[in-house]
Amino acid sequence: EVHLVESGGDLVQPGGSLRLSCAASKFTFNAYWMDWVRQAPGKGLEWVANIKPDGGEAYYVESVKGRFTISRDNAKSSLYLQMNSLRAEDTAVYYCAGGLLGAAPHWGQGTLVTVSS
Amino acid sequence: QSVLTQPPSASGTPGQRVTISCSGSSSNIGSNTVNWYQQLPGAAPKLLIYTNDQRPSGVPDRFSGSKSGTSASLAISGLQSEDEADYYCVTWDASLSNLVFGGGTKLTVL
Repeated sequence: EVHLVESGGDLVQPGGSLRLSCAASKFTFNAYWMDWVRQAPGKGLEWVANIKPDGGEAYYVESVKGRFTISRDNAKSSLYLQMNSLRAEDTAVYYCAGGLLGAAPHWGQGTLVTVSS
Repeated sequence: QSVLTQPPSASGTPGQRVTISCSGSSSNIGSNTVNWYQQLPGAAPKLLIYTNDQRPSGVPDRFSGSKSGTSASLAISGLQSEDEADYYCVTWDASLSNLVFGGGTKLTVL
């Protein structure tokens, strides 16, 4: 069974930084576009960013451009999200996911990021 | 404001048929396929429909999807209490170069 396990979520002050990680197993990681999707408390799903299988292209939602960076290490089957200049509105559960528009998507269970003073 | 518009809520009684709409534009639904996800409370989303109208193995045939022009729909027939969940449509928006989710529809089984 495919496993995507996120880590790195924490309580951080506004303006601070955090790096999320996602470890994939039993999954052809290097064949998938990988995504970060977030869900603020009581709100809907919001796509944050994604990255091409070879890491050569990445896309971001406008609200995080210039602050967040998505990256991947295919040798380690791992996905990352470097989050800088964090704001209160970035508070959410962050999900690692792959193949969201395909027939066999995979999701992690999420990691909580809380931005508060 | 979501790029894809879904009704915030829907409801039905057991056994009824319910339809959830997802309205977009030529840059998203009009030119790309749509997936539908179900999210139960406290859980990660689960794929219900892919490529507009295809059902993954294990998803009951009570769930069906369709797409026409710049809109898509999810239909649930023979409504059951366990269908009570949030439902999201998702597609790629070529103008934004973003994956976009609908705002979500909370389905209540009365």
